[in-house]
Amino acid sequence: DAGVTQSPTHLIKTRGQQVTLRCSPKSGHDTVSWYQQALGQGPQFIFQYYEEEERQRGNFPDRFSGHQFPNYSSELNVNALLLGDSALYLCASSARDYLRQETQYFGPGTRLLVL
Amino acid sequence: AQSVTQLGSHVSVSEGALVLLRCNYSSSVPPYLFWYVQYPNQGLQLLLKYTSAATLVKGINGFEAEFKKSETSFHLTKPSAHMSDAAEYFCAVTLSGGYQKVTFGTGTKLQVIP
Repeated sequence: DAGVTQSPTHLIKTRGQQVTLRCSPKSGHDTVSWYQQALGQGPQFIFQYYEEEERQRGNFPDRFSGHQFPNYSSELNVNALLLGDSALYLCASSARDYLRQETQYFGPGTRLLVL
Repeated sequence: AQSVTQLGSHVSVSEGALVLLRCNYSSSVPPYLFWYVQYPNQGLQLLLKYTSAATLVKGINGFEAEFKKSETSFHLTKPSAHMSDAAEYFCAVTLSGGYQKVTFGTGTKLQVIP
């Protein structure tokens, strides 16, 4: 059973460019959440997708957008990149279990460096 | 709103000694609490979770945590540290009811001294 996968593993961009990161959830999961983890910090919630809709959003600007596909995979898009967007971007997938206790399982992350 | 505070950004223990990583939470409703471990250049791996059942939760790799409502704490312990336990540990909280965002602490780096 494959876990959460993310691509690419590493990415280098320059300021002002746009980037797309991809995530495939764990088999049987229908919800995808994205997190930004800056160096030396804990992950910060960006947004969550369920049934192809953004259900919740953290305190991130509109430059951060996403999409969820019918097969539950997801993309994170960041426009007009800033140096401060350099971070590890983590995708987590989840599904309700019989007790409605959602647990998020994380992928290995995509490390983005903005120069 | 919910939050977690991890006391101590760095903790050092000798191999074979007790590991104690501290986490206090704040939540307006009964929370779900998690501990994750992150090894260098990797994603987060779930160690254990509390979801309103037993207050003493056992996880992988010999770790356990106890939910204490009166102290709003969820400290992580392991009786005997192993070199392979060296990593960064994150405490996290979410609200019950499903499909809630997870709020993480700032992390504690555990160093194990041989």
